[in-house]
Amino acid sequence: GNSVTQMEGPVTLSEEAFLTINCTYTATGYPSLFWYVQYPGEGLQLLLKATKADDKGSNKGFEATYRKETTSFHLEKGSVQVSDSAVYFCALGLWTNAGKSTFGDGTTLTVKP
Amino acid sequence: EAQVTQNPRYLITVTGKKLTVTCSQNMNHEYMSWYRQDPGLGLRQIYYSMNVEVTDKGDVPEGYKVSRKEKRNFPLILESPSPNQTSLYFCASTLSVSGRPSEQYFGPGTRLTVT
Repeated sequence: GNSVTQMEGPVTLSEEAFLTINCTYTATGYPSLFWYVQYPGEGLQLLLKATKADDKGSNKGFEATYRKETTSFHLEKGSVQVSDSAVYFCALGLWTNAGKSTFGDGTTLTVKP
Repeated sequence: EAQVTQNPRYLITVTGKKLTVTCSQNMNHEYMSWYRQDPGLGLRQIYYSMNVEVTDKGDVPEGYKVSRKEKRNFPLILESPSPNQTSLYFCASTLSVSGRPSEQYFGPGTRLTVT
């Protein structure tokens, strides 16, 4: 089956610190990979995506590279802000079944001033 | 404005009393999904639909029903709710181009409590 494993949280950082949230996956087919962010009291929204190996997704200073050889899609940001405090979800979707999605457990990030 | 709407946003009910959570999208997306979010378990897919009258089970379909009679609507039905269905529910829609999985657009969530 398909699965997504994220680093366990919660993660607490000081403002301007470097962020890495690890994400690895297993998939029966060829996946597209996504990072979603959920701010308190809201639904999830897309942060970035990558559809094939070696693609780099980026948005709002966040980056993630689709590594097929290590089945990973780690999220990074060079300098976090208090406003980045949220829950981050790694997810995959398959080309063979575009309706089926698998999400990780989510990682809660708190950034302190 | 492109959006996914859900109603109600909050619902408290009793065991066994049938309920429906509505979901509607205005983006003409083919695919729609329902998820539940529980602490420590992340987001789990309940059901999804590829188009009108076409639905399939996700990872946790037991105790739920769905229907897709119109492209824009995808209601979630709990015919006999139980306390273990207390959760935060999200509806989502996505446009798949040539079968490629694309980003999903999520509704604001429905917090359901079953006593």
